[in-house]
Amino acid sequence: QKEVEQDPGPLSVPEGAIVSLNCTYSNSAFQYFMWYRQYSRKGPELLMYTYSSGNKEDGRFTAQVDKSSKYISLFIRDSQPSDSATYLCAMYSGGGADGLTFGKGTHLIIQP
Amino acid sequence: DGGITQSPKYLFRKEGQNVTLSCEQNLNHDAMYWYRQDPGQGLRLIYYSQIVNDFQKGDIAEGYSVSREKKESFPLTVTSAQKNPTAFYLCASSKPGLAAKQFFGPGTRLTVL
Repeated sequence: QKEVEQDPGPLSVPEGAIVSLNCTYSNSAFQYFMWYRQYSRKGPELLMYTYSSGNKEDGRFTAQVDKSSKYISLFIRDSQPSDSATYLCAMYSGGGADGLTFGKGTHLIIQP
Repeated sequence: DGGITQSPKYLFRKEGQNVTLSCEQNLNHDAMYWYRQDPGQGLRLIYYSQIVNDFQKGDIAEGYSVSREKKESFPLTVTSAQKNPTAFYLCASSKPGLAAKQFFGPGTRLTVL
């Protein structure tokens, strides 16, 4: 079983819709949960950074973490064509400056 | 502007050659990382460094080498021992105590001819 599962998509929605992106994980030691946005042939851009369970909102983006279910979500409100990208979830257990564990990414397409 | 730069953007290598990918940051971050991304795959950790003159192997270090002689620089060498080097290589950095909050450079796409 892979540590982080993420549906690769593509997920296609009309402009203005609410988008829901999700990841599940198996390692209960993960404490930090991140979402990155990656445009084609570019480096990932950090969108949301969350510690432990709960919700965090930043503009049109909301991140949710449910550690009891080992499930995290990213919601995008009022989606725009410029939101079309690959969204990567990432997780970290803490305790040292080592690497993040990534999902494979979900390719999102916002139709004008 | 503070940030992470990677060069070159595109790199072509013949089989049997070693190549070095550059990563420079002016964010004053202590920790730096190298990841590899293959099509349809998540990022996988190659090497990381918490401080100058120290680095650790990640999950897929075989066929790669690094050095950390300066805080700002963390070059990655892809050696001829790496059997499948064609990939997108990403460098990242983070502040002390904030290893989960990593910032990425624009990447280098390496292709073996």
